[in-house]
Amino acid sequence: GAGVSQTPSNKVTEKGKYVELRCDPISGHTALYWYRQSLGQGPEFLIYFQGTGAADDSGLPNDRFFAVRPEGSVSTLKIQRTERGDSAVYLCASSLNGGWGDTQYFGPGTRLTVL
Amino acid sequence: QQPVQSPQAVILREGEDAVINCSSSKALYSVHWYRQKHGEAPVFLMILLKGGEQKGHEKISASFNEKKQQSSLYLTASQLSYSGTYFCGTEEGSSNTGKLIFGQGTTLQVKP
Repeated sequence: GAGVSQTPSNKVTEKGKYVELRCDPISGHTALYWYRQSLGQGPEFLIYFQGTGAADDSGLPNDRFFAVRPEGSVSTLKIQRTERGDSAVYLCASSLNGGWGDTQYFGPGTRLTVL
Repeated sequence: QQPVQSPQAVILREGEDAVINCSSSKALYSVHWYRQKHGEAPVFLMILLKGGEQKGHEKISASFNEKKQQSSLYLTASQLSYSGTYFCGTEEGSSNTGKLIFGQGTTLQVKP
């Protein structure tokens, strides 16, 4: 079956602009995660959705970052007033049920570059 | 608290073995292992759960020492396709959301 998909694959924007990154999880997966990966580092947790609700948003760095999952499937990560430090690969992962010990499957990521 | 992986980098010849370690200062529920090739998504390899259960790749083995909060990934008879960066992701016992905290990665290069 289809894996996790993310669009766009690359996004270049200017400092101060607004961007939206989209994640389409594996069909039937109720849990969805966003991570951010800087060059040479491991993925860093941002937010976890169980269904439509954000069950854990402790990794969002500040209030410029916001994510939604209105119908419990596709999710959008929104970044306002982008800064150069936001440049990274944004990874989305989904798992069947979420919670302890569930396998997370990652998408290919969106490479965000803020000029 | 980010887990610590060692070594940072390994270079092998095809057919040689390698061990990658992951150590946390937190009480863990599980350890997840992924391999990532340049510009690609992390690919799931294995989960080791508290209590001894394991899920994952048949050809890859790993261990989880719950008392020491340490895990090791064993790559035997390495193939060229094993090249990439290996990450451990830890699931802390205090959280039940599945949130993973990843180490900084171990880069493995397998040469012919």
